[in-house]
Amino acid sequence: QKEVEQDPGPLSVPEGAIVSLNCTYSNSAFQYFMWYRQYSRKGPELLMYTYSSGNKEDGRFTAQVDKSSKYISLFIRDSQPSDSATYLCAMSDSGAGSYQLTFGKGTKLSVIP
Amino acid sequence: GAVVSQHPSRVICKSGTSVKIECRSLDFQATTMFWYRQFPKQSLMLMATSNEGSKATYEQGVEKDKFLINHASLTLSTLTVTSAHPEDSSFYICSAPSRLGGELFFGEGSRLTVL
Repeated sequence: QKEVEQDPGPLSVPEGAIVSLNCTYSNSAFQYFMWYRQYSRKGPELLMYTYSSGNKEDGRFTAQVDKSSKYISLFIRDSQPSDSATYLCAMSDSGAGSYQLTFGKGTKLSVIP
Repeated sequence: GAVVSQHPSRVICKSGTSVKIECRSLDFQATTMFWYRQFPKQSLMLMATSNEGSKATYEQGVEKDKFLINHASLTLSTLTVTSAHPEDSSFYICSAPSRLGGELFFGEGSRLTVL
């Protein structure tokens, strides 16, 4: 079993839809959870960063972590065509400072105008 | 904000040749940089940790003699793919933390195609 599972998609939604992206993981030591957005042929950029369980909201983006279920989610409200990208979840057991991140494969999202 | 620059963004080379990829931190110093490889529809896989002034630390299964890393200054790390083969064709991405414990910034990646 891989440490981080993420459905690669592709996921196609109409503009304005709510998007739900998810990852599951097996390592209970993971405590730091991140979502990165990667546009085609570009490096990833950090979208959201959460520690332990709970929710975090930033504009149209909400990250949720459920450590009991080993399940994390990223919700995008009022999705825009500019949100079309690959979204990677990443996690660490030793904090952002260690940078030993384990990435999911990424979910490719297309928001159709 | 902090920016990490990679060059070249795309390179095509013949099998057996060597290719050098540069990673620069533009407005901050990075004693540590990270090199990843990403195959199509696959996760970013950490290859090695580049340490300024000392040897790089390689992940299990990564050949250090094939992927030479040099971190000669606080703003530059280079990855040289030696004697490249078609199976080395991939997207190589570097990253650097803006400060100790700070956010990890990624370069724009370098797509290597070995013919």
